[in-house]
Amino acid sequence: GAVVSQHPSRVICKSGTSVKIECRSLDFQATTMFWYRQFPKQSLMLMATSNEGSKATYEQGVEKDKFLINHASLTLSTLTVTSAHPEDSSFYICSARGLAGGPTDTQYFGPGTRLTVL
Amino acid sequence: KQEVTQIPAALSVPEGENLVLNCSFTDSAIYNLQWFRQDPGKGLTSLLLIQSSQREQTSGRLNASLDKSSGRSTLYIAASQPGDSATYLCAVTTDKLIFGTGTRLQVFP
Repeated sequence: GAVVSQHPSRVICKSGTSVKIECRSLDFQATTMFWYRQFPKQSLMLMATSNEGSKATYEQGVEKDKFLINHASLTLSTLTVTSAHPEDSSFYICSARGLAGGPTDTQYFGPGTRLTVL
Repeated sequence: KQEVTQIPAALSVPEGENLVLNCSFTDSAIYNLQWFRQDPGKGLTSLLLIQSSQREQTSGRLNASLDKSSGRSTLYIAASQPGDSATYLCAVTTDKLIFGTGTRLQVFP
């Protein structure tokens, strides 16, 4: 089956620093990747949709200048949390959709990254 | 705006019980509905996917039904086991995947 990895699995950083999270599709090419965040005991909220070679589409209320998304290749998307603050502490999960690309196609989820900002 | 709600929010049952988890959505214009399992601090495991034209899907002790016109889905877990303890999420696909609020299940021996 299709595998999506995330790195790092957990990161602790100081307030004001930037953190980069990688999402990779290991055995398939992904034209579209999605970034979600999940606060404790809450559901997943879509942050942005990332298409290879183009700008990401952000959901309402998500600051694009704070959460920088780059999808430079068909197997890698990165999320950079800039000038992180304690309220950015959360569980970030990515997913990837294959080359067939339609909304009905399966999204494969990464294992998530736990970000803690001190 | 599509909203997905799950009831109950939490459930604690003894081992062996048959369970029903509910999911409702406000807009019936969906492509499909999926049920996921999430263990604490972990990512998602896909359990079942029901296309909009289907009524149900089964996998082992799990059975999911879909009534698109009424905006409802149920996940039935037969003969629950402690290993079933996790959070269960339903999600509907429109132009994006929209997750429900989740049901935290605990099955005790």
